[in-house]
Amino acid sequence: DAKTTQPPSMDCAEGRAANLPCNHSTISGNEYVYWYRQIHSQGPQYIIHGLKNNETNEMASLIITEDRKSSTLILPHATLRDTAVYYCIVLRSKGGNNRLAFGKGNQVVVIP
Amino acid sequence: DAGVIQSPRHEVTEMGQEVTLRCKPISGHDYLFWYRQTMMRGLELLIYFNNNVPIDDSGMPEDRFSAKMPNASFSTLKIQPSEPRDSAVYFCASSTSGEYNEQFFGPGTRLTVL
Repeated sequence: DAKTTQPPSMDCAEGRAANLPCNHSTISGNEYVYWYRQIHSQGPQYIIHGLKNNETNEMASLIITEDRKSSTLILPHATLRDTAVYYCIVLRSKGGNNRLAFGKGNQVVVIP
Repeated sequence: DAGVIQSPRHEVTEMGQEVTLRCKPISGHDYLFWYRQTMMRGLELLIYFNNNVPIDDSGMPEDRFSAKMPNASFSTLKIQPSEPRDSAVYFCASSTSGEYNEQFFGPGTRLTVL
């Protein structure tokens, strides 16, 4: 599976959009980009995933560049409850039999 | 649905003792995963099951660790004998073999080995 690179930490203003970058320059054609987050003292939580098209759900939007070498997770209106470690993970295929390889993630702090 | 259930939530034991962590996956899920999280190593996969059969245990650190899934609604992770370096938060997760990889995680068991 392709390796990902994220900033170790970032601050975001409450109520503003939070843009979380991820680089995955070695991604191959059949690999998906997944995002999970882990709020303090809780288990990780799935957010969204995509292959090449932009995706949106009730939690966030995922923008993948045309060359698929990077992506951005957008939290449209960050709240204090969005403070968490965000993980960008690249997986070879869909389905439940994939090992999630969590890196160090991006510690996002939403500031009032 | 109650989500993935883990017990106990906290466990404190002494070095050399046997520790058993328990997990009840979400009903209908056919994949079950055990992860361990430490400050040094982050979140790492230990083992996963499909339809109660262990598929990949390459992440199990050593023979002191063992995992079983006797039926679709229950799994255990056992450490015998436990050591202080086993202190960590252990997460269980489950998923379906459906369209995409959404793993549902339990609240974790915080293990402290003195």
